[in-house]
Amino acid sequence: DAGVIQSPRHEVTEMGQEVTLRCKPISGHDYLFWYRQTMMRGLELLIYFNNNVPIDDSGMPEDRFSAKMPNASFSTLKIQPSEPRDSAVYFCASKGTQETQYFGPGTRLLVL
Amino acid sequence: GEDVEQSLFLSVREGDSSVINCTYTDSSSTYLYWYKQEPGAGLQLLTYIFSNMDMKQDQRLTVLLNKKDKHLSLRIADTQTGDSAIYFCAESILGFGNEKLTFGTGTRLTIIP
Repeated sequence: DAGVIQSPRHEVTEMGQEVTLRCKPISGHDYLFWYRQTMMRGLELLIYFNNNVPIDDSGMPEDRFSAKMPNASFSTLKIQPSEPRDSAVYFCASKGTQETQYFGPGTRLLVL
Repeated sequence: GEDVEQSLFLSVREGDSSVINCTYTDSSSTYLYWYKQEPGAGLQLLTYIFSNMDMKQDQRLTVLLNKKDKHLSLRIADTQTGDSAIYFCAESILGFGNEKLTFGTGTRLTIIP
């Protein structure tokens, strides 16, 4: 298995622009998680899905952030409009029932 | 509430043992995990321990759990340069594979040649 796939690996954008991060979970996994990692706040859970349904989005910072999972093999995290304080590494992770989470390599986002 | 704490940095000479410590606050934690993050990569599960265990050993890794003090440690024997990474402890509640993990801040392990 290729593991969790994230794209792009790096993104540089200007403040105010829309940013879309993508994730392909491991085939057969029914949970998908989005995390954000910064030096100041460490690793934060933003949202997670079970069977494509959002279960807990309490970690989503504000309305500028949205996440979707249209099918079992694809999810997006969108930031609109982006701000410099959104600069971070965004990780996607997936897991099956009674398994631990497998992380993707992350997307490093820089908002100028 | 859930809170997991770790020291931020640890430096160890190559060949020595590394001990990374973690404290957690939620006594209902059922599983505790250690993840490793190498530069530019995601988190990789190293090992885990169930809360009714005191110790778990896996090759060079030894996990010790003191449930009374809510203290978890990871010992890496014969530390090598490839062990340089950030190590995160994490707790889950209500069972293995529970949906939400709470992560510590991570400990950056540096190996001194």
